[in-house]
Amino acid sequence: EPEVTQTPSHQVTQMGQEVILRCVPISNHLYFYWYRQILGQKVEFLVSFYNNEISEKSEIFDDQFSVERPDGSNFTLKIRSTKLEDSAMYFCASGPATNEKLFFGSGTQLSVL
Amino acid sequence: RKEVEQDPGPFNVPEGATVAFNCTYSNSASQSFFWYRQDCRKEPKLLMSVYSSGNEDGRFTAQLNRASQYISLLIRDSKLSDSATYLCVGDPTGGGNKLTFGTGTQLKVEL
Repeated sequence: EPEVTQTPSHQVTQMGQEVILRCVPISNHLYFYWYRQILGQKVEFLVSFYNNEISEKSEIFDDQFSVERPDGSNFTLKIRSTKLEDSAMYFCASGPATNEKLFFGSGTQLSVL
Repeated sequence: RKEVEQDPGPFNVPEGATVAFNCTYSNSASQSFFWYRQDCRKEPKLLMSVYSSGNEDGRFTAQLNRASQYISLLIRDSKLSDSATYLCVGDPTGGGNKLTFGTGTQLKVEL
């Protein structure tokens, strides 16, 4: 079965540093998402992306966050100046269309020190 | 009130038991619901969609009650491999664009 690939699996960074989390969605999918899960808490929606633009974002997704699909295959999440509370597992997901099954990547564990 | 609310458990059951989870939701306009399964420190994986008419997939049965705003998942003949956290998920927009996850119910199936 095709899968969503995320790199790196673990990222450790210092507070205030910029990080870029990378995702390769399934090739024929059109809808892309980032979710995050703080340890012991629920999975939370961050942003959805379609047709090269953000279609919806949550309150969490403030000006420190941005997403990009730079080359038609990668989908990235950038956090400009990381905070301690950004420490979480970040999941990328993709889907072929709305109302279709979402495929989640295995996640990037971000630790901000 | 939380958008999607679940009993966190854990539910400890012997192998072969039948176990049921419930979930309530607050947004009456929510269009679609799902049960996802999440193993420890892994990604969520879709278990099944939930329909008002009920949905059965092998040992798993899901049901949606819109009048009472709750969703249920029944697991029959539970296996050790069913041990995981079960996430109740709503889709307020109906377009699959923004899933709302519950905190999950932990299931431990024991010998």
